[in-house]
Amino acid sequence: GAVVSQHPSRVICKSGTSVKIECRSLDFQATTMFWYRQFPKKSLMLMATSNEGSKATYEQGVEKDKFLINHASLTLSTLTVTSAHPEDSSFYICSARDGRDYGYTFGSGTRLTVV
Amino acid sequence: LAKTTQPISMDSYEGQEVNITCSHNNIATNDYITWYQQFPSQGPRFIIQGYKTKVTNEVASLFIPADRKSSTLSLPRVSLSDTAVYYCLVGGYNNNDMRFGAGTRLTVKP
Repeated sequence: GAVVSQHPSRVICKSGTSVKIECRSLDFQATTMFWYRQFPKKSLMLMATSNEGSKATYEQGVEKDKFLINHASLTLSTLTVTSAHPEDSSFYICSARDGRDYGYTFGSGTRLTVV
Repeated sequence: LAKTTQPISMDSYEGQEVNITCSHNNIATNDYITWYQQFPSQGPRFIIQGYKTKVTNEVASLFIPADRKSSTLSLPRVSLSDTAVYYCLVGGYNNNDMRFGAGTRLTVKP
């Protein structure tokens, strides 16, 4: 089946630094990718939707200058958390839509801790 | 996207059948219903998808009444490892609106 690889699985960074999270579709071309963040015992909150080669569409309340999303190819999307602060600590999850059958596959998530 | 409503939590015991119902009163004609399972610190995992009537795969069944305003995920003979959060999403094949509801936290007890 479709596989989405998300790296890193865990990252600890200092306040003020930037962190990049990668999301790759390994065996299919992802026409659309989604980024979520999830706080403990809460549901997934959609942050943005990105289509290959175009700018991401951010959800209301998500700072596009802070959470930079790049979807440069049909198999790779990246989320960069810029100037991270402790309140950005969360679980970030990506999802990719298979262009062949419109199925959605999720990555394993990235635990970001900002100290 | 059709908003979904699920019970916040459910408890069950090993070996029992568990049915989780999701309400989606304003589902559109071309919307499908998809259920996902999520374990702590993992991404959601696809369980089953359907449009109407009944769908069954190796892990679950999905029952959808004729009016499609609700759906029921049925997990036969649950085990401790089925303890997880279950989400139902409603959307069309061409619908990129992938917003999650609150989900149902299922706890399976020995």
